Amino acid sequence: QVQLVESGGGVVQPGRSLRLSCAVSGFTFSSYGMHWVRQAPDKGLEWVAAIWYDGSNEYYADSVKGRFTISRDNSKNTLYLQVNSLRVEDTAVYYCARDRRTYCGGDCSLGNFDHWGQGTQVTVSS
Amino acid sequence: EIVLTQSPGTLSLSPGERATLSCRASQSVSSNYLAWYQQKPGQAPRLLIYGASSRATGVPDRFGGSGSGTDFSLTISRLEPEDFAVYYCQQYGSSPLTFGGGTKVEI
Repeated sequence: QVQLVESGGGVVQPGRSLRLSCAVSGFTFSSYGMHWVRQAPDKGLEWVAAIWYDGSNEYYADSVKGRFTISRDNSKNTLYLQVNSLRVEDTAVYYCARDRRTYCGGDCSLGNFDHWGQGTQVTVSS
Repeated sequence: EIVLTQSPGTLSLSPGERATLSCRASQSVSSNYLAWYQQKPGQAPRLLIYGASSRATGVPDRFGGSGSGTDFSLTISRLEPEDFAVYYCQQYGSSPLTFGGGTKVEI
């Protein structure tokens, strides 16, 4: 069955970096666009970033643009999120999520998410 | 950026009752690309509805979505105990993707 498993979260000081990973199984990873979505404590959901199924294009929320980088390794069935220059307001559970449509239905900047990981906690605190 | 406003913030109902949740967009959602998710405490969200009215795989038919343009709704025809959760709408008709603030359905 489809599985997405995040890792790499932790407690870090402001200004530091982390690399989050999402290992997937149970589907053809290279056929799906992928996203990161985060949820601050007791808050709603916020879309963070998206990447095409072949890694050719990336998209970011304004709140993370220039600090976060999404990437993927289709040979390893793994999605990544490099998070740099962390701020207190980046504290959240970070979820990876799969676009419901194969090949993003033609536009990987737009998607809804049919499978999610369990999330990895990132806490930014001095 | 399309802002999604969900109402009410909290809905207090009993099992067997009907729930109607609203999601209003600040501008028209292209192609009615509106999805609904259910989230229970400590769990990841679960896709319920996409394209405003299409049920995702495995979603019971007591969940129904409707609406177009700027006004959308999620209806749960008869609440089951497992339906008490937070529900989010999401638009994917334009970038950036945005979510509503959520509606909590409580007993």
